[in-house]
Amino acid sequence: EPEVTQTPSHQVTQMGQEVILRCVPISNHLYFYWYRQILGQKVEFLVSFYNNEISEKSEIFDDQFSVERPDGSNFTLKIRSTKLEDSAMYFCASRDTGLVQETQYFGPGTRLLVL
Amino acid sequence: DQQVKQNSPSLSVQEGRISILNCDYTNSMFDYFLWYKKYPAEGPTFLISISSIKDKNEDGRFTVFLNKSAKHLSLHIVPSQPGDSAVYFCAASAVSNFNKFYFGSGTKLNVKP
Repeated sequence: EPEVTQTPSHQVTQMGQEVILRCVPISNHLYFYWYRQILGQKVEFLVSFYNNEISEKSEIFDDQFSVERPDGSNFTLKIRSTKLEDSAMYFCASRDTGLVQETQYFGPGTRLLVL
Repeated sequence: DQQVKQNSPSLSVQEGRISILNCDYTNSMFDYFLWYKKYPAEGPTFLISISSIKDKNEDGRFTVFLNKSAKHLSLHIVPSQPGDSAVYFCAASAVSNFNKFYFGSGTKLNVKP
């Protein structure tokens, strides 16, 4: 069964450093998402992406964040200058169509720790 | 911005009994609701959904009930099995803007053998 993959599974970085989290969505999917979950808290929507542009973003997704689909298979989330509060689990998700009934498929997540 | 709330952080149930997980929402524009299940070190996996035109949706041991007037939904698992032990997230979206889903904080279900 096709699945969403994410790399790395864990990343430790120093505050102020840039990180790039990578995702490979399911191959025929067209809609892509990033979420994060701070330890013990809810899963929070960050951004959705369709047709090579951002469709929707949350208030969390400020200028420090950017997303890209550089090569037609990868979908990346870049945090330019990490802060301590960026420590969280980051999940990528993808879905096939724009129909709301079409479920999102989530990757296993990248655990980011900012020191 | 807690538009979707799961007020019970944990629930413990005996194997074979019913598990009832609850979720409340505040935004009356939400008209599509989903339940996800999450095991440790894995991403959430879709379990069951319901649109606001229905008040019940059933899939095997899982049933979701929606009470629109109370802005409340619940997930029933009957009978509960030890393999159901996981964190369950409720999520909501508006059909008019399906690019954004709001999640609750999750309920950790423990099904005891």
